[in-house]
Formats: sequence, C-alpha cells, structure tokens
Amino acid sequence: AQKVTQAQTEISVVEKEDVTLDCVYETRDTTYYLFWYKQPPSGELVFLIRRNSFDEQNEISGRYSWNFQKSTSSFNFTITASQVVDSAVYFCALTLSSGNTPLVFGKGTRLSVIA
Amino acid sequence: GAVVSQHPSWVICKSGTSVKIECRSLDFQATTMFWYRQFPKQSLMLMATSNEGSKATYEQGVEKDKFLINHASLTLSTLTVTSAHPEDSSFYICSARESGLARNIQYFGAGTRLSVL
Repeated sequence: AQKVTQAQTEISVVEKEDVTLDCVYETRDTTYYLFWYKQPPSGELVFLIRRNSFDEQNEISGRYSWNFQKSTSSFNFTITASQVVDSAVYFCALTLSSGNTPLVFGKGTRLSVIA
Repeated sequence: GAVVSQHPSWVICKSGTSVKIECRSLDFQATTMFWYRQFPKQSLMLMATSNEGSKATYEQGVEKDKFLINHASLTLSTLTVTSAHPEDSSFYICSARESGLARNIQYFGAGTRLSVL
C-alpha cells in the first residue's frame, strides 16, 4: 500500500521568507508519480507539479522549487520569497503509474503567509 | 492545463432529498474519474473510482446505494447523494485523469459544498 506523510500540519511565515513543505512517501512499487497540489480557500485543487520516479532532477518554476530524493523517499517543496497569495493548503500525493490507480494524498500542510 | 467542470458549486437541501453533482472533462476524454470527499481541515478521502461504461469501484466504508455514481460518457460522471442527511454535509470533489504515457495527471473540479439541513 502507498502512504504519503506531511508532518507539518500548519506553518506560518512572514512575507518574503522562504518556506519548505516536507513530503515523505512509502511505496513498494518502483514506478510511480508524485504530485503537489495547492488548495486555496476557494477549495479548488490546483495542480503544481508531477514527477515520475525515474526522474530525480530537481525542478524550479519561478518561486517554486522541488527536491526529489529517492534515497530518503522525500519530495519537498520550497517557496522562495513567499507572498500572501501563497497562503493555502498544500497537498503532496502519489499514484502508481500502472492502471487507473487513484491519488493517495498526504494530510496537507496549511501555509499562512503574513504580510 | 486540462479543465474539469463540476456543478453545482454549492447546494443546500433538506434532509431526505437527493442531490446530483456533475463532473465534466471539458477538453479531454476521461475513461476514469474519481470522487473524493473532504471534511473541514482534513485531507481528501477517496470515495469511489468511476469507470466509463462500467460500475464504479467504491472504497471500503462508502455505501454504494447512498452514493450513486454514473459514468455514461467519456466526459461526464455524476454522483448522486440519495436521501441526504446532515452527516452527508461535506465538500465533494471530482477529478479526471488525462491519460496517456506522457500525462497521467489528475485535474480536479472546483468542488461542491453540500449542506443538508
């Protein structure tokens, strides 16, 4: 069975600070995908990134960056120079690449960016 | 990215009535859609996997007679909460997977907030 752990329940930072959201996953499969989604107060889940298990290259997209390390089964998400609009709940998720398997979500990390 | 439309976004109903929620993939075909439920300040809980042209697969503990799922076409899945009661009040979210080797990304609808009085 797959499992995703987001140990940080809530994080508060002051605007312009950097913040890292942790994600640790468990799976016995060698082929899988990892995701990050953002859920603002409106409720809609916004897709941020997908990473497959064979691609450990870190990725940067604007102020967002992701650090995937298979050795520690982690897929951490860093927001640089945080802004108030970054305030949301962030979910890390995992799915297997075979078949129509659903996403397994972590419990989410609520990020509050204070002006 | 791909667009998933979910309707209605908010519904209030009396106890005992049935509520239908629609989930449409607008610019891609989805042989599989997923229905999730989310309680306040909690994560998403998978309710069922909706397969086009066949019966839905329900997660353990989810009543199939209570939550009827129909996936009649490659772009539409519906969830009907039958004889709704206050404990069914929740945020329901659907997702559709854009299939293909290069994608395998689930896009989510905006969610439906159900309040049963």
